[in-house]
Amino acid sequence: EVQLVESGGGLVQPGGSLRLSCAASGFTFSSYEMNWVRQAPGKGLEWVSHISPSGNNIYYADSVKGRFTISRDNAKNSLYLQMNSLRAEDTAVYYCARLSIPVDIRSFEYWGQGTLVTVSS
Amino acid sequence: QAGLTQPPSVSKDLRQTATLTCTGNSNNVGYQGASWLQQHPGHPPKLLFYRNNNRPSGISERFSASRSGNTASLTITGLQPEDEADYFCSAWDSSLTAWVFGGGTKLTVL
Repeated sequence: EVQLVESGGGLVQPGGSLRLSCAASGFTFSSYEMNWVRQAPGKGLEWVSHISPSGNNIYYADSVKGRFTISRDNAKNSLYLQMNSLRAEDTAVYYCARLSIPVDIRSFEYWGQGTLVTVSS
Repeated sequence: QAGLTQPPSVSKDLRQTATLTCTGNSNNVGYQGASWLQQHPGHPPKLLFYRNNNRPSGISERFSASRSGNTASLTITGLQPEDEADYFCSAWDSSLTAWVFGGGTKLTVL
């Protein structure tokens, strides 16, 4: 069974930093593209960042570029999101999501339960 | 990044048919199609359809998906109370090199 479990969320002051983790199990983690997607309270889904299986190809939403860093450790079956210079508008539930394969039909196939990040003084 | 366009809300009677739309452009929906997600309050999104309009195992046959040009559609027949949820579409934008989502459609079953 595919499982994605996020952790690391919490309350942080504006300008602060936080590191999110996503522990993956039930599949060959190193074969799949992974993403972070967030959802502000009462709002829709917003894509944050994407990383290829090897970590060589990385993309970011304009809203987080230069502040957030996605990474992965295939030996530990883990995905990370380092978030710096946090702003109030970064407040959201952050989901770890696995893309499906093959690449030409890739879709957000599996999602974790999410971890809440609140940026407030 | 520009997103995909979905109607904010749709209301239909029990056992009726609802069709939800998702409009993008030739760089996203028109490029390789859109996938569909369902989200109930307090839960993570759940994949309803892959970008090629194939249904994952376990998804009811009352749900179907299609695409015409830059617009993707999700049709739900025989609406049930449990279909009341938010529905999102998503696609890869080859021009932006980014994933884009629709704003979501809240489906109410009357």
